[in-house]
Amino acid sequence: KAGVTQTPRYLIKTRGQQVTLSCSPISGHRSVSWYQQTPGQGLQFLFEYFSETQRNKGNFPGRFSGRQFSNSRSEMNVSTLELGDSALYLCASSLAGTGGINEQFFGPGTRLTVL
Amino acid sequence: AQTVTQSQPEMSVQEAETVTLSCTYDTSESNYYLFWYKQPPSRQMILVIRQEAYKQQNATENRFSVNFQKAAKSFSLKISDSQLGDTAMYFCALGYNQGGKLIFGQGTELSVKP
Repeated sequence: KAGVTQTPRYLIKTRGQQVTLSCSPISGHRSVSWYQQTPGQGLQFLFEYFSETQRNKGNFPGRFSGRQFSNSRSEMNVSTLELGDSALYLCASSLAGTGGINEQFFGPGTRLTVL
Repeated sequence: AQTVTQSQPEMSVQEAETVTLSCTYDTSESNYYLFWYKQPPSRQMILVIRQEAYKQQNATENRFSVNFQKAAKSFSLKISDSQLGDTAMYFCALGYNQGGKLIFGQGTELSVKP
């Protein structure tokens, strides 16, 4: 089974621009979560989508948004980029839906640099 | 509040020796799960071991085992017979049923030296 894939792997943007990152979960997984990883703040939860609905949300401004498609693929969008948005963005998928252990499988990440 | 704390930012161990990484957590929920993830220099997060809070028996996976002390809210990871490939950042994480949110600790950078 193919793992979680994320595209693109690297991105360079300038302040004020917007960016869209993509995540394809493991086949059969319906939950997709997004995390931001920075040296200062560590790993922080952004949001989770399950069956095309946002199920959980972290403490990030409204500039960060996401969506999930019927095939479970997910995208996250960051508008009006700031220097502090430079980070590794990780996507994780899981079977989680009807209960039970929420074991998440991570993608390789997208490294976003904002200049 | 839901928090995970790893008090050891860096650790070093000689190859073939044993090392223990510490983690404490705080949650008001009674049903939860705990995980240790490994992030090598490639940045790919890999699940090392998991523990269901309702299980008293400590989880083991080959050279990796945990010491789960529920009352103390402690969840340490023991790595036996350390190998060079164990060099990585290790994250302790807290999760719940039905929800894709994991709360991570700040991580412990482990170096295994030959």
